[in-house]
Parts: sequence; structure tokens; C-alpha cells
Amino acid sequence: LAKTTQPISMDSYEGQEVNITCSHNNIATNDYITWYQQFPSQGPRFIIQGYKTKVTNEVASLFIPADRKSSTLSLPRVSLSDTAVYYCLARNAGNNRKLIWGLGTSLAVNP
Amino acid sequence: GAGVSQSPSNKVTEKGKDVELRCDPISGHTALYWYRQSLGQGLEFLIYFQGNSAPDKSGLPSDRFSAERTGGSVSTLTIQRTQQEDSAVYLCASSLKPPGLAEYEQYFGPGTRLTVT
Repeated sequence: LAKTTQPISMDSYEGQEVNITCSHNNIATNDYITWYQQFPSQGPRFIIQGYKTKVTNEVASLFIPADRKSSTLSLPRVSLSDTAVYYCLARNAGNNRKLIWGLGTSLAVNP
Repeated sequence: GAGVSQSPSNKVTEKGKDVELRCDPISGHTALYWYRQSLGQGLEFLIYFQGNSAPDKSGLPSDRFSAERTGGSVSTLTIQRTQQEDSAVYLCASSLKPPGLAEYEQYFGPGTRLTVT
């Protein structure tokens, strides 16, 4: 089965750029890679998804190299409200296209 | 508009009892997912419904777990003979369409926190 690996936790300060990298093995060749954000006591919320190269929206950017063995979520100028757990998701390759959730990266943004 | 709702928000039950958890997806969303999240852990996929197709039950941890989706809308997750290891937050999500190559955004409910004593 596919596996996604992320740092367990990260610390940052307000105004800094934060990059969270996820490595993913044995993921489906043609499927997208997706990132979600989860605040305490809430369900996850979609942030961004991409297939290759770079995708940017009003919240974040996502960088995916050509080999698609990793992806990097970039949060520009974080604020205290960006303190949350960030998950990368990918689909398993082959017939069992199960959606794989990683354990998430707990980001703490400090004043 | 209304988001995904789940009830109850909290449920405390005794070991061995049955529980039912309810999910009301966003109107018009054809796909519905159930997940389980233990304390400090990621999401564990349980079951997926898409329209009138047979559900994907591959994530259900045991035959004590079952789920239904009536009329393509409301879903109920039932856990029979609950065990202490069933204690977790149970999350429901819906999406407008089933996933293709791109993932359709899953909208999550607030979850039901289940505690088995």
C-alpha cells in the first residue's frame, strides 16, 4: 500500500513562510495529491491539491516534483490562526485505489 | 448553506452496548465517507458510499461495524457490542462527486466523540 510520511511537528513564528514536505511512495500515477488542514475539535478542511509542478491558491502553494515522490505545502506569512494539523493525502497505486491519509504535521505558530 | 452535520456530538456508552451515529451530508452531495480518528492520530477510513453503488466497506475494522445510507442522503454508522478500543472521534464527510483523477473536496462534519467505558 501507499504510504505518506510527514514531520510530526513544526514550529514557526508569525510572518514566516512555512514549508511542510510529505514523502509518498507507491501512489497512483495519475491521481492528484491533496492537503487538508484540521483545527482542534473540528473536521479537516481542504486546502489545495495538485498533480505536478506548482499550484497556488489564496491560501497556499503546493510544489510537486516531476517524480511525484514528495510534495511540499508552502504557507506564506503564517499567522497564529494557521496553528493546526496539516495532512497530505494520496491514492494507492494499482487496483486498490484507497485514499491514504498521513498522520499529519502539527504546526505551531508562535507570536 | 448548511454544512455536514453529525449527531450526537458526544456519546458515552458502556462496553457491550450498541451505538448509532448519524450523518447528514450536504444536500446534493453524492459521495459520503466515514472516518475514525483516535486521539493524536490521523484519519482512518471506514466506509464510502457513492450514489446507489455498493459501498466500499474495506476500512471497517470488524463485523461489529456497519453503516447504511438511506435515500442517498442520511447515513448511520452502527457499532455493535462496543469495546473500549472503539473510543474515538467518528467523522463524516461528503463530496459533490466521486473522485476521479482529481479529488473532489470533502466537507467534514464536526464529528461524534465516542467514549466507551
